[in-house]
Amino acid sequence: DAKTTQPNSMESNEEEPVHLPCNHSTISGTDYIHWYRQLPSQGPEYVIHGLTSNVNNRMASLAIAEDRKSSTLILHRATLRDAAVYYCIHTGNQFYFGTGTSLTVIP
Amino acid sequence: EAGVTQFPSHSVIEKGQTVTLRCDPISGHDNLYWYRRVMGKEIKFLLHFVKESKQDESGMPNNRFLAERTGGTYSTLKVQPAELEDSGVYFCASSPRPRWNGGETYNEQFFGPGTRLTVL
Repeated sequence: DAKTTQPNSMESNEEEPVHLPCNHSTISGTDYIHWYRQLPSQGPEYVIHGLTSNVNNRMASLAIAEDRKSSTLILHRATLRDAAVYYCIHTGNQFYFGTGTSLTVIP
Repeated sequence: EAGVTQFPSHSVIEKGQTVTLRCDPISGHDNLYWYRRVMGKEIKFLLHFVKESKQDESGMPNNRFLAERTGGTYSTLKVQPAELEDSGVYFCASSPRPRWNGGETYNEQFFGPGTRLTVL
């Protein structure tokens, strides 16, 4: 399994930025780094992906370390709807989810 | 555009019975995946179809599980006979053929809401 290491839980105040870290030291050169999140009682939902360069989309930003062994998902302004479990994944088709980070957003 | 749908949303069966879960992927998606989360564990990959062919079934736990995707559209996952440890949430995901995007290919997976299976 392509393992990643994430903190079990994090908290953020509403409207503040959140930086969710992930270590993926076993990543291979061709693996994408994907971030998904799972809201309560729903299936996982795509957030962002990247290969080598930092990426931005409407949901978040992804900062990838130069050696690609770690990455950080950045939510620029956390909202209550962002409370979810965030998964960092670095495989091809066979996603290995790991334990993820449970994000709590405090009003 | 309709998302990935799964049926039923919840199934409760007795140990030893058979259950069939269904997944309808997003129209046109060649790739279809099954995952599951059993009690207290992480989401685990089960298998991957490309159209009607099994591309990777390395995550299937044992021969009580049978997945099919006749015609390359919807897929079914049959558990026969069901055991207590099969209880959990079964997710289906689909993705299009990897797309070239000016320098890379990628295949975002779209997940369904899951089927919660309870084996008593």
